[in-house]
Amino acid sequence: EVQLVESGGGLVKPGGSLRLSCAASGFTFTNAWLTWVRQAPGKGLEWVGRSKGKTDGGTVEYAAPVKGRFTISRDASKNTLYLQINSLKTEDTAVYYCTAEDNWNYAPYIWGQGTLVTVSS
Amino acid sequence: QSALTQPASVSGSPGQSITIPCTGTSSDVGGYNYVSWYQQHPGKAPKLMIYVVSHRPSGISNRFSGSKSGNTASLTISGLQAEDEADYYCSSFTTSSTSLVFGGGTKLTVL
Repeated sequence: EVQLVESGGGLVKPGGSLRLSCAASGFTFTNAWLTWVRQAPGKGLEWVGRSKGKTDGGTVEYAAPVKGRFTISRDASKNTLYLQINSLKTEDTAVYYCTAEDNWNYAPYIWGQGTLVTVSS
Repeated sequence: QSALTQPASVSGSPGQSITIPCTGTSSDVGGYNYVSWYQQHPGKAPKLMIYVVSHRPSGISNRFSGSKSGNTASLTISGLQAEDEADYYCSSFTTSSTSLVFGGGTKLTVL
């Protein structure tokens, strides 16, 4: 079964850090384009960043609002994608979804269940 | 403010058809065919309904269709059913640093 399962969310104080994990199964992890999308409570979807597959250079891209604070990485031996979030702000409060997309159509078609990050003092 | 513009809400009666527009610019919707649509029920993850403007993933009902004209893409749902009541989001590749932009979402109410 094709599946993405996020974990690592929780309550964090402003300025803190958190690492989210996304365990993948059922597809070829190494070459998959994996993306993080977030959704603030009651708000719309926001693209956070993408890790391209090995055959496409393995490059990582970030949305302007998170560049410099967020780091996307992957561990192929564990079939796991990570999102390291530093210097957390209250506006980072959101459900963070891990997604997978084909390497040609920019359309995430596999979505995890999401993990909630709450930034509050 | 979202990069792509969608109406906040639309409604229709069972059996009717509705269309949700998604307006962007020549840097995203108008310049590329990488437009997708997602359905999201409350408390659930989004689900891909349309990709590359008008293609349906396997398992998606042919009641859902997509199109594009200029800088505006559209999702049409025909033969509305109660289960179609959800939030719908469009997305598009963009040449801006963001790479992928979403619309603000449209809440569909089936009357």
